[in-house]
Amino acid sequence: GENVEQHPSTLSVQEGDSAVIKCTYSDSASNYFPWYKQELGKRPQLIIDIRSNVGEKKDQRIAVTLNKTAKHFSLHITETQPEDSAVYFCAAGRNAGNMLTFGGGTRLMVKP
Amino acid sequence: NAGVTQTPKFQVLKTGQSMTLQCAQDMNHNSMYWYRQDPGMGLRLIYYSASEGTTDKGEVPNGYNVSRLNKREFSLRLESAAPSQTSVYFCASSELTATPGELFFGEGSRLTVL
Repeated sequence: GENVEQHPSTLSVQEGDSAVIKCTYSDSASNYFPWYKQELGKRPQLIIDIRSNVGEKKDQRIAVTLNKTAKHFSLHITETQPEDSAVYFCAAGRNAGNMLTFGGGTRLMVKP
Repeated sequence: NAGVTQTPKFQVLKTGQSMTLQCAQDMNHNSMYWYRQDPGMGLRLIYYSASEGTTDKGEVPNGYNVSRLNKREFSLRLESAAPSQTSVYFCASSELTATPGELFFGEGSRLTVL
């Protein structure tokens, strides 16, 4: 089955700096790569996703890049704000089963 | 429009007891899922149902059973709870069936097995 590894497990940045979280996946058939944000005590919510037919997607201060050859994808957050502090999860999925396999999560702390 | 609703929010069980977690969605979604969340291990899929009338095992199905009662409801049952099943359980739903898409999660159910 699919295996998704996520790094780092914790990340501390100063407000205004950029944050980058990286994930690798094992199944070359995976073609859907979402990122979820989970605030303390809350449910995970989708913040951005990318499908394998594109290499990059941006939405305001967040962007995701995908390298299918190397089987890795990354989340980039620019101009971080304290409200970006949360746990971020990457995931990978493919057709035929529409299951998502999640990474272990990254706890991002943005210091004011 | 409540989205995904799961009950109970908190439950304490003794080893060997049984219980059922209930989940309902009002978005007319086809697919429903049960995940468990443990510290440092992300979200692991227990069971899923790609459409009404079908269920399939995920990564960690042992010790659990599910029922897709109708299109709205998907329940998770622990027949004989064990301390290793202490976790936060999330139900989720997705509009898509044949291809992966956005998951909408419930608020979670925190289960402690003593």
